[in-house]
Amino acid sequence: DAKTTQPPSMDCAEGRAANLPCNHSTISGNEYVYWYRQIHSQGPQYIIHGLKNNETNEMASLIITEDRKSSTLILPHATLRDTAVYYCIVRVPNNTDKLIFGTGTRLQVFP
Amino acid sequence: GAVVSQHPSRVICKSGTSVKIECRSLDFQATTMFWYRQFPKKSLMLMATSNEGSKATYEQGVEKDKFLINHASLTLSTLTVTSAHPEDSSFYICSARDARGGNYGYTFGSGTRLTVV
Repeated sequence: DAKTTQPPSMDCAEGRAANLPCNHSTISGNEYVYWYRQIHSQGPQYIIHGLKNNETNEMASLIITEDRKSSTLILPHATLRDTAVYYCIVRVPNNTDKLIFGTGTRLQVFP
Repeated sequence: GAVVSQHPSRVICKSGTSVKIECRSLDFQATTMFWYRQFPKKSLMLMATSNEGSKATYEQGVEKDKFLINHASLTLSTLTVTSAHPEDSSFYICSARDARGGNYGYTFGSGTRLTVV
């Protein structure tokens, strides 16, 4: 079973920041949080991942709370092409390297 | 960056026939590959984990004789849907994990849309 909880859908105005929350209250100390997104009928695209510290790359920022029970993916200036389903994933704890997808958040960016 | 090529992107087959889907890591070696299926408006469901040179590990409820997986090299895994039926129609997606492990990510193919008629 997925170890994360995300809102099913969110809207965001183009040019504004999109903040996508994720709850992973049962996360273990050595588990990473991964974010992927899937644009319609394509394979998932890697966005970012982190363990404890906040992370930033050219696509997004990842803010992880100090207790690591939740995180937020931030798209600083959303565009229409950011419309997709965003998945927050915690790697399976027994190191089988599996990524188990939850239901994700469908982000709709509007003009 | 890492690229995974999945082929074919779309296939239509008749009931009772078999279909093979290929997943290749183009610029890295992958000791582990994963196969997912996805129904419309649903999330990805992991079917099996494919390890180079050994038998695949199937998730609960996935028929191993129905979905044959072969991972003969560090860059290629195949999924064969045998005796396909209309209910096997779905979007199949592979993923490859860089053999270097650690923080190297999981790269996904672009998916194969299978329609069984």
